[in-house]
Amino acid sequence: AQSVSQHNHHVILSEAASLELGCNYSYGGTVNLFWYVQYPGQHLQLLLKYFSGDPLVKGIKGFEAEFIKSKFSFNLRKPSVQWSDTAEYFCAVTSNTGRRALTFGSGTRLQVQP
Amino acid sequence: GAGVSQSPRYKVAKRGQDVALRCDPISGHVSLFWYQQALGQGPEFLTYFQNEAQLDKSGLPSDRFFAERPEGSVSTLKIQRTQQEDSAVYLCASSLETGFSGANVLTFGAGSRLTVL
Repeated sequence: AQSVSQHNHHVILSEAASLELGCNYSYGGTVNLFWYVQYPGQHLQLLLKYFSGDPLVKGIKGFEAEFIKSKFSFNLRKPSVQWSDTAEYFCAVTSNTGRRALTFGSGTRLQVQP
Repeated sequence: GAGVSQSPRYKVAKRGQDVALRCDPISGHVSLFWYQQALGQGPEFLTYFQNEAQLDKSGLPSDRFFAERPEGSVSTLKIQRTQQEDSAVYLCASSLETGFSGANVLTFGAGSRLTVL
């Protein structure tokens, strides 16, 4: 069964610091990878996705993620965070032979201090 | 509608009561998913519908959980004889596509927060 690990549970950064959130998945087949964000009091929103092609994908609000197949990783990055990036971030995966539903990691709570 | 709508947003139930949670997906979306999100955890899959057909219910934690989507649009998640461990946010998501493709992206609702006393 596919699974997703997010090793950073709570990250605290100052504004303008660089961000990297780790995500590793366990499935060895063809995968689709996603990062979702949940701002305080709001619903889950898609940040970016990888389906095929260029392993470096760019999303909204200056976020990007790199798919490294050999490491089963899909880490999220942002060069300079803002206070408004305070939120919970979830990595998720689907596979071409597994269940259709997304499998989520446990999430990383990011707190950006002004 | 413009987004996925869920109701009620908040529900408090006494242990043993039955509850029903409603999801109104984006119009025309074929796929519909229910997830359960406990405090401090990521969403956990419950069940999946393609139109009115429930294709996967492997995530339902017990036979007290039941979901339906009789006309292929609105869906209801029912929990019978609620227990304290059922306390969670129940998320509904829909997507236009059914397959493993770049267009198959889930749009989530705001969720229904269930508290069982």
